[in-house]
Amino acid sequence: AQTVTQSQPEMSVQEAETVTLSCTYDTSESDYYLFWYKQPPSRQMILVIRQEAYKQQNATENRFSVNFQKAAKSFSLKISDSQLGDAAMYFCAYSRFSGGGADGLTFGKGTHLIIQP
Amino acid sequence: KAGVTQTPRYLIKTRGQQVTLSCSPISGHRSVSWYQQTPGQGLQFLFEYFSETQRNKGNFPGRFSGRQFSNSRSEMNVSTLELGDSALYLCASSLGQGADYEQYFGPGTRLTVT
Repeated sequence: AQTVTQSQPEMSVQEAETVTLSCTYDTSESDYYLFWYKQPPSRQMILVIRQEAYKQQNATENRFSVNFQKAAKSFSLKISDSQLGDAAMYFCAYSRFSGGGADGLTFGKGTHLIIQP
Repeated sequence: KAGVTQTPRYLIKTRGQQVTLSCSPISGHRSVSWYQQTPGQGLQFLFEYFSETQRNKGNFPGRFSGRQFSNSRSEMNVSTLELGDSALYLCASSLGQGADYEQYFGPGTRLTVT
């Protein structure tokens, strides 16, 4: 079974600075997807960024970028120029490359990100 | 375009009762997935429906069931409620089946079992 581990229960960063959230995963699959989701206090999960394992290039979305190390099974999220609105729980998630099948997302336990003004 | 809606938003039930939660996907989305979120176990996949058929199921007992209607709306049912079923239940919809399609989450239904 696939597992996702987020070793940082909580992180704190000053506004406008950069922070990196860590995620490692375990899988025997060669093709899969990795995601970072944000869950603010409203509890609505929002997709931040997605990475296909077969793509070597790291995904980026504005201030959000990932460092995907396939061999090390590591998938960290870097948030640049942190803003107060970035404060939330961040979940790393894995999904098998299903090619049409459905396996659901496997989530890590989450990292609570605090932004200090 | 309206987002994923879940009803009710909050629910209090007694142990032994059953409950039905509803999820209306984004218009045009045909896949609906359900997740349970608890402080102890985190987020766990319950099941996914696509074209009115359950495509996959997570590791939950048979007390947890669901269905999908022809308009893609989905319901999940929990019978014989236990205290441990208290959780936030999240529904997500996507255009198609599988991780190739982005999942959009609803606000969740907070279930409290007393």
